[in-house]
Amino acid sequence: EVQLLESGGGLVQPGGSLTLSCAASGFTFYNFAMTWVRQGPGEGLQWVSTVSGGGDTTFYADSVRGRFTVSRDNSMNTVYLQMNSLRADDTGIYYCAKPYASGTYYSFNHWGQGTLVSVSS
Amino acid sequence: DIQMTQSPSSLSASVGDRITITCRASQGIIDYLAWYQQKPGKAPKSLLFAASDLHSGVPSKFSGSGSGTEFTLTITNLQPEDFGTYYCQQYKTLPFTFGPGTTVDLK
Repeated sequence: EVQLLESGGGLVQPGGSLTLSCAASGFTFYNFAMTWVRQGPGEGLQWVSTVSGGGDTTFYADSVRGRFTVSRDNSMNTVYLQMNSLRADDTGIYYCAKPYASGTYYSFNHWGQGTLVSVSS
Repeated sequence: DIQMTQSPSSLSASVGDRITITCRASQGIIDYLAWYQQKPGKAPKSLLFAASDLHSGVPSKFSGSGSGTEFTLTITNLQPEDFGTYYCQQYKTLPFTFGPGTTVDLK
């Protein structure tokens, strides 16, 4: 059974930093790109970042490029999202998601339960 | 970026109804279109990929169609567990983009 378990969310002041983790199990982790999707309060879903299976290729939404860094440790089956220079509009639930097939251009068939990030003074 | 729109933004339906949600892309995405269901306080649940293919375990009451720029999600025999918000998503081009959602509630 595929499981994705996010952690690391919390309350942080504007300009602060936070690192999210997503621990994966139940599938061959290094074969799959992994993605972070966020959802602001009362808002829809927004793609944030994707990292390739090998970790050597990364993609970012314009709104986070230069501030967020996605990475993965395939020996630990974990993907990370390091978030710097946080802003109030980064507030929301952050989900990690697994695509239904190997490669980047696939939609998701599994989601974590999400971790809440609140940016406020 | 490819913009995704959905209509209606909300709809009220009764148990047993058949409903259809439309999703449009601002440019052609072939069939790189997914549908998700989300209930309040829960993570999204994946329903369909490639416009019309059901994910494992998703009941056949859900169906999708379309290609290019216009797509539909149809749900037959609506049940209480089907109420929630439905999102479409294009994954042909990065950044992946989602529609704004269609909220289905009980009439």
